[in-house]
Amino acid sequence: QKEVEQDPGPLSVPEGAIVSLNCTYSNSAFQYFMWYRQYSRKGPELLMYTYSSGNKEDGRFTAQVDKSSKYISLFIRDSQPSDSATYLCAMSAIEEGAQKLVFGQGTRLTINP
Amino acid sequence: NAGVTQTPKFQVLKTGQSMTLQCAQDMNHEYMSWYRQDPGMGLRLIHYSVGAGITDQGEVPNGYNVSRSTTEDFPLRLLSAAPSQTSVYFCASRRFGQYSNQPQHFGDGTRLSIL
Repeated sequence: QKEVEQDPGPLSVPEGAIVSLNCTYSNSAFQYFMWYRQYSRKGPELLMYTYSSGNKEDGRFTAQVDKSSKYISLFIRDSQPSDSATYLCAMSAIEEGAQKLVFGQGTRLTINP
Repeated sequence: NAGVTQTPKFQVLKTGQSMTLQCAQDMNHEYMSWYRQDPGMGLRLIHYSVGAGITDQGEVPNGYNVSRSTTEDFPLRLLSAAPSQTSVYFCASRRFGQYSNQPQHFGDGTRLSIL
C-alpha cells in the first residue's frame, strides 16, 4: 500500500464548477501538507502549504486537512480553463533525522470552456 | 527572479553514454534535491543535499551521482545511461537543512530519453 493515495483521474468539469481533489495517507507522522500545480512540460508549482487540521483559503483555492481521518482536499471555486493542470498532493515529516516528503501520483484536471 | 534553473531542457542519449544534468538556484537555499517523474510512479527522490559538501541518497539512487561544491549548484550525473533512466528529471530546493518541513520549489525539468 502506498503511503499517499491520489486518484489520477482524469477529471473533466465545465468552467465555473467547484472542483474537489483529494488525497489519503497512512503515515500519521505526516504533519505538513502541500498542494502543487503542474502545467504540461513544466515543474510543480507550490499552491498551498498547511500544517494544522482545518481549512486554509487563498483566493479561489481552499486546502482542507483532516488529520484524524488522514485525508486532505483541495477545492477550486469558479474554476477557469487556466486551472487545467495536474495537481499533486505532498506530505512531509521528519523521520530518521531528515525530511521525508512523499508525493501523490497527481490528478489530471481539465476545465472545459 | 530565476528560482531553480535546469539545463538542458531536452536530451537524447544512447545507452552507455554519460552526461550531467545541471541545476542552479539563486535563493540561497541550503537544501537541494533531484527527483525523477515517471507515469504512474509520481515523483521519486534520487539524491539530496543539506548543504555544500554534503549529499545523501534518496529512494532511487542507483546509476546516478551527485556533488555539491557550492550552495547554488547541484549537478546530477548519469555514469552509463540505461533505457530505464528515460524520465523527466526535476531539481528542487528549499530553505534550511535536513530538520525542516519547508516546501520545495521546483525547476522546469529535463526530459531525458535513452535509446
